[in-house]
Amino acid sequence: KNQVEQSPQSLIILEGKNCTLQCNYTVSPFSNLRWYKQDTGRGPVSLTIMTFSENTKSNGRYTATLDADTKQSSLHITASQLSDSASYICVVSGSNYQLIWGAGTKLIIKP
Amino acid sequence: NAGVMQNPRHLVRRRGQEARLRCSPMKGHSHVYWYRQLPEEGLKFMVYLQKENIIDESGMPKERFSAEFPKEGPSILRIQQVVRGDSAAYFCASSPSAASYNEQFFGPGTRLTVL
Repeated sequence: KNQVEQSPQSLIILEGKNCTLQCNYTVSPFSNLRWYKQDTGRGPVSLTIMTFSENTKSNGRYTATLDADTKQSSLHITASQLSDSASYICVVSGSNYQLIWGAGTKLIIKP
Repeated sequence: NAGVMQNPRHLVRRRGQEARLRCSPMKGHSHVYWYRQLPEEGLKFMVYLQKENIIDESGMPKERFSAEFPKEGPSILRIQQVVRGDSAAYFCASSPSAASYNEQFFGPGTRLTVL
């Protein structure tokens, strides 16, 4: 069964600290993996996308990694800001147009 | 270039009423996807439409739910005889082509509350 699991479910860190969010997937065949940021009450916004051959992709303070062998991805956020408070969702696409969504990690940045 | 637009943003219905959710894709996008998000859960695919065609509705409940994307006008997700379990956020996304299905741009969502 195609699944995407994320950990932790929620995370609270102080402003300025770094954090790493995890994503494990069992989607096969694999096409690409994307991390989305979803602010409360808003639609998801894409942060990064990686294909099978890519193992790291950066977007400002966000760096995503992908290990296609172990089927794991991580999203690292450096020097966190209050505006980083949101849900971060790992999404994997396979052979068709359906995207398999993780439940997300709820990140709270405290001043 | 306006993004994906959805309306209403919030919709309250009593059990048994009908809910109509509208989605206007980004300019130039002819592919629309609808998702449902229950509280504390991830988005779940419902239906994929192209202009005047339903490509895949495998994620949509067989009863009470329907979707359309007419030649002119927005895509409509229609829920008949709503029940409390239909309360959720409904997101619409669009992409320019079938080949770019993974480049989906999302609207702000419609939050449906069934009393």
